[in-house]
Amino acid sequence: GQQLNQSPQSMFIQEGEDVSMNCTSSSIFNTWLWYKQEPGEGPVLLIALYKAGELTSNGRLTAQFGITRKDSFLNISASIPSDVGIYFCAGQDSNSGYALNFGKGTSLLVTP
Amino acid sequence: DAGVIQSPRHEVTEMGQEVTLRCKPISGHDYLFWYRQTMMRGLELLIYFNNNVPIDDSGMPEDRFSAKMPNASFSTLKIQPSEPRDSAVYFCASSSEGTVNQPQHFGDGTRLSIL
Repeated sequence: GQQLNQSPQSMFIQEGEDVSMNCTSSSIFNTWLWYKQEPGEGPVLLIALYKAGELTSNGRLTAQFGITRKDSFLNISASIPSDVGIYFCAGQDSNSGYALNFGKGTSLLVTP
Repeated sequence: DAGVIQSPRHEVTEMGQEVTLRCKPISGHDYLFWYRQTMMRGLELLIYFNNNVPIDDSGMPEDRFSAKMPNASFSTLKIQPSEPRDSAVYFCASSSEGTVNQPQHFGDGTRLSIL
């Protein structure tokens, strides 16, 4: 599968700060997904994006599907301690079947 | 609603032994995926099934790995013989009618340690 470039690799922030992370790919995707993984658990879907340029919010989370279809970002506003976890982007190209290609993850730590 | 259920949650065994990981997808989901997660390589797709039929197994690392889906509610991933480099967290995920508009839902994984 194709490897996505996800950055930053880790973030250490204070409660209340905003967070931004992004993913880029050398290939075009027609679906971008953002997952969060907590210790000992599987990834949980946060936001799904299906259209270039699409901007979608889920509470304090906002994600966008880049116009070029090769990138996506996730923003978290007013972070809280329970936002701690690893955030993964995933891209899917339906021409290559239903496999998801994952980024390496952004590890987020939030101090009270 | 029950999510994707994986067993065992943890497995520790000696190299050379056979390992069998199990997965029960969400009821009604017709796609099932097996992933492996390691620090070095992140999350990698091993194989996926549609309506119990393997569709793409190009991610299966070698012949020691095999996966089956005998019915719509059960799948196994088998490693025989196991090697220390197989140590990883193995996830099963399922979705309905493909990924478009029906994202994959993950189980909590099996943490496998091969000594």
